[in-house]
Amino acid sequence: AQSVTQLDSHVSVSEGTPVLLRCNYSSSYSPSLFWYVQHPNKGLQLLLKYTSAATLVKGINGFEAEFKKSETSFHLTKPSAHMSDAAEYFCVVSGPNAGKSTFGDGTTLTVKP
Amino acid sequence: SAVISQKPSRDICQRGTSLTIQCQVDSQVTMMFWYRQQPGQSLTLIATANQGSEATYESGFVIDKFPISRPNLTFSTLTVSNMSPEDSSIYLCSVLAGALSEQYFGPGTRLTVT
Repeated sequence: AQSVTQLDSHVSVSEGTPVLLRCNYSSSYSPSLFWYVQHPNKGLQLLLKYTSAATLVKGINGFEAEFKKSETSFHLTKPSAHMSDAAEYFCVVSGPNAGKSTFGDGTTLTVKP
Repeated sequence: SAVISQKPSRDICQRGTSLTIQCQVDSQVTMMFWYRQQPGQSLTLIATANQGSEATYESGFVIDKFPISRPNLTFSTLTVSNMSPEDSSIYLCSVLAGALSEQYFGPGTRLTVT
C-alpha cells in the first residue's frame, strides 16, 4: 500500500523568495517519488523524480527535492520564486507496479509580485 | 519519450448519455492507464488498460460505468457511461515508456455533464 500527504493545500510566497512545498509519503516498498506541476488549463509536467539513486534530486526550472527516508519526506524547494511558478503542484508516489501512481491532493502555489 | 494525444479535448454532454475518449500514443507501450481529476481535486487512477484482455479497475470504479478497450499497443478508449453531473472531470490517459519506464500523461479530456 502507498499514500502521499501534501502538508499544505496553499502556499503563498513573494517573487524572489524561497519556495518550500512539503510532501510526506508512505509505502510498503522502496518508493519512486515524483513532483508534477500543472498550470491552469494545461497538462501535467514532470518536475523531477527520485528512483533510489541520489537523494538530492534536481529538476527543471530550478526546482529540487530531497528524499529523506528517516522522515518519509520528499519536500520540493526552489531558492527564488518566479511569477511563472504559480501553479498546482502534485507529489506522487509509485511502487514496484510503476504507473499505478498515487497522487497527493496538490498544493496551490501563489507568487506575489 | 512518448507523445500522447486524446480526443476529444473537451466536451459538454447531457446526463444519461455516454462519451468515448480516445488515447493515441506515438510508440508501442505495454502499460496504459486512465486517471480522473475531478474539479479542484487530485488525480485518481481509474484502471489499467491491458492489451488483449480486460482492464483492471481500482476500488470504486467498475467496468459497467467505465468500459475500456485496448485493441493494440498504441491505442485505448475509455467510455464514461450513463453520465451524471458527478462525472464532470478531466480524464487523462497515461503510459509508461522509454528505457526507464517513465510515466507520461496525455493532455486530458475535459468533460462537463449538464
